[in-house]
Formats: sequence, structure tokens, C-alpha cells
Amino acid sequence: RKEVEQDPGPFNVPEGATVAFNCTYSNSASQSFFWYRQDCRKEPKLLMSVYSSGNEDGRFTAQLNRASQYISLLIRDSKLSDSATYLCVAGNFNKFYFGSGTKLNVKP
Amino acid sequence: SAVISQKPSRDICQRGTSLTIQCQVDSQVTMMFWYRQQPGQSLTLIATANQGSEATYESGFVIDKFPISRPNLTFSTLTVSNMSPEDSSIYLCSVAAGGYEQYFGPGTRLTVT
Repeated sequence: RKEVEQDPGPFNVPEGATVAFNCTYSNSASQSFFWYRQDCRKEPKLLMSVYSSGNEDGRFTAQLNRASQYISLLIRDSKLSDSATYLCVAGNFNKFYFGSGTKLNVKP
Repeated sequence: SAVISQKPSRDICQRGTSLTIQCQVDSQVTMMFWYRQQPGQSLTLIATANQGSEATYESGFVIDKFPISRPNLTFSTLTVSNMSPEDSSIYLCSVAAGGYEQYFGPGTRLTVT
């Protein structure tokens, strides 16, 4: 079983749509969680950390459900520039596991 | 966030040879990591590069195949030894900040023929 699992997608949505990704993690002892964005042929870039209380950054909202061991990312008012692969990360201290990523295509 | 550079950005190598990848950070960092990302796959942690001691390798990765150096807090190298086509991949170094979020270098795209 993978440490972090994500639906690979692709999610094809029109501009302006709201889209949500979920990710599950297997290690209940995980303490730190992140969402990264990876554009084609580029390195992953930190999108946001995920806190127990949830957090919001503009059009992006991340939430953590420890009881069910899943992390979510909500993108509102999708832009063409949001098209990318979104990686979910869970872990502790010096060991983090990356999901395989969910591909998002935002279409005009 | 730290600025991270990697050299080379890409290389094509013959099987049986070795390639050393360099990772340079613009500030001192405690934790540096080396990952591999094969086409269409997610990132797999190879090892944690420890300053002043041996690297800590993940299951499936060994020092003889992937020797790592970490001579100071701003620099590390990863060598891919005795390469085979299965080693063709993108190799990324990363550093961890205070909240454990990681920042990645631009990657080294390796093709082994």
C-alpha cells in the first residue's frame, strides 16, 4: 500500500469552476502535510502547508481530517494557469512521502 | 525560501559510467534530501544528506550505487554509479525549512543509453 494516495485524474474543468482534490495517507503518526504544484518538466513548488485548523490562501483552501486520514485541496474560480499536477505530501520531521499527483486541466 | 541550483541540468550518459550531480543552496540548511522522479511517477526519496556524517538511505537505495557527499551546510553531491538505462530519471535535491516544508532544485534530467 502506498503511503500517500491520490486520484491521478485528469480533472478537466472549465475556467471559473471549483474543483476539489482529496488525498489519503496511511501513517496515522504523520504530523506535517503539504500541497505542491508541479508544472510539466519542472520541479515541485510548495503551494501551501496544511494545518489542523485548515488554511486558506486566496482561491486555495486546504483541510486536514486526521480521523479519516485525508487531506483536501479546494480551488475556486479556476484559472487557465492553475493547470498543473498537484502533489499531496504527508510525513514527519525528515521523512516525507509524496503522492503520485492529481493532474488538473483548466479549459477556456 | 532558499535558492537552490543543480548541475548539470541534464546529461546523456553511457551505461556503466557514473555521473555526479551537484546541489548548491544560497543559505545554510540543516536538512538536504535527494529524490528521484521517473517519468509519470511521483518523487521517491533516495536519501537524506547529513552534514559531517554518512547519508541515510531509504529502502531500495544503497551507498555503493548512490554515494552522497555533504561537506558543508550549503552543498551536496549525489553520484549515480555504474549506470544502467533504468537509472534514467530526474534527480532532484531539496532542502527543508523550519516548518519542514521542502524547496526543490530545478532537477537533473539523466538519460542513460
